[in-house]
Amino acid sequence: NAGVTQTPKFRVLKTGQSMTLLCAQDMNHEYMYWYRQDPGMGLRLIHYSVGEGTTAKGEVPDGYNVSRLKKQNFLLGLESAAPSQTSVYFCASRQGAVTEAFFGQGTRLTVV
Amino acid sequence: AQTVTQSQPEMSVQEAETVTLSCTYDTSESDYYLFWYKQPPSRQMILVIRQEAYKQQNATENRFSVNFQKAAKSFSLKISDSQLGDAAMYFCASLISGTYKYIFGTGTRLKVLA
Repeated sequence: NAGVTQTPKFRVLKTGQSMTLLCAQDMNHEYMYWYRQDPGMGLRLIHYSVGEGTTAKGEVPDGYNVSRLKKQNFLLGLESAAPSQTSVYFCASRQGAVTEAFFGQGTRLTVV
Repeated sequence: AQTVTQSQPEMSVQEAETVTLSCTYDTSESDYYLFWYKQPPSRQMILVIRQEAYKQQNATENRFSVNFQKAAKSFSLKISDSQLGDAAMYFCASLISGTYKYIFGTGTRLKVLA
């Protein structure tokens, strides 16, 4: 019963490096989300997807790209990491008819 | 614009006592859902309770209950008989029915004192 799994759990990047965060869900959910959590700012939506092959921008999309080639996977890419992208990243998913979102355990990313 | 506001960055409660966390929201929609999520030190986000806006009855889950005041756009969480395991960050969130985006508040960190 894995639910939503994020890979990796921790990562340190140098400024300018690139990386991809992987989110995988085994619940056959239609909707998937990427959020970032920063102290005093709650969770802010980066990008989301309402189905395989579709993505849309959230409120803080700059510097990130996403892809949803398979229904169960939602990838978040950082092409050129910046210190401002130091954060905890959460993936979430939900079934369209159900309102509860299920979250992964988060990825702590530090950009130095 | 849809907003969720949690005005208490931090709260403390004695073990076995009751505490109320505040949340206000703003939306022009009539059909929406409200949530409280708990984030313990493990970082895992856990749904505590959910309220449908069309339901007048306040939601309850064991020691957790809400006071939903639709006209005032208020959605507070009451934790009764507080336990050490309740210590966590609590997030209030909203979702407009038929849409995709959850809007989260900035969170309230709850400390439980033994």
